Amino acid sequence: AQSVTQLGSHVSVSEGALVLLRCNYSSSVPPYLFWYVQYPNQGLQLLLKYTSAATLVKGINGFEAEFKKSETSFHLTKPSAHMSDAAEYFCAVSRGEYGNKLVFGAGTILRVKS
Amino acid sequence: GAGVSQSPSNKVTEKGKDVELRCDPISGHTALYWYRQSLGQGLEFLIYFQGNSAPDKSGLPSDRFSAERTGGSVSTLTIQRTQQEDSAVYLCASSLDSSYNSPLHFGNGTRLTVT
Repeated sequence: AQSVTQLGSHVSVSEGALVLLRCNYSSSVPPYLFWYVQYPNQGLQLLLKYTSAATLVKGINGFEAEFKKSETSFHLTKPSAHMSDAAEYFCAVSRGEYGNKLVFGAGTILRVKS
Repeated sequence: GAGVSQSPSNKVTEKGKDVELRCDPISGHTALYWYRQSLGQGLEFLIYFQGNSAPDKSGLPSDRFSAERTGGSVSTLTIQRTQQEDSAVYLCASSLDSSYNSPLHFGNGTRLTVT
């Protein structure tokens, strides 16, 4: 069964520093992977998705993620953090049995210090 | 264009009462999903609709929970005889189709508080 594990429930970085949010997946078939961001009192917004076209995926707001099959990882990065990046980030894998049913990780809250 | 709309945004109800939560998906989106988000449980899948039918109801936590979708558009999630453990944010999402790479677009959710 497909699942994802996000390492670190809270991550704190300084403004301008590298952002690295970790996600490892478990899947018996080639996975479809997604990163979503949730700002306070809002729904989830898609940051980027991996669908096997390219291992390095670029998303919105300067985020990107690299699919590494050998490490079963799909970590999210951004070279320089901005205050507006403070939010909760979710990694998700598509189960694909019925529709695009997503299984989400527990989430990582990103704090950006000035 | 308009995104996924959910109403009400907040609902406070007494234990034992029934509640209905509404979701208006993006126009033309054939797939619709309900998730529940609560502290300690993260994001839990509840039910998936393709058109008006629900091929996957596996996430509904009990028979107090039901959902329907009419006209391939609006969906209603009903919780009967609410319990305190039902308190959570209920998120609705829609996608253009059911393909694996069709991203889900989420509404802002309904925050349900059962007192």
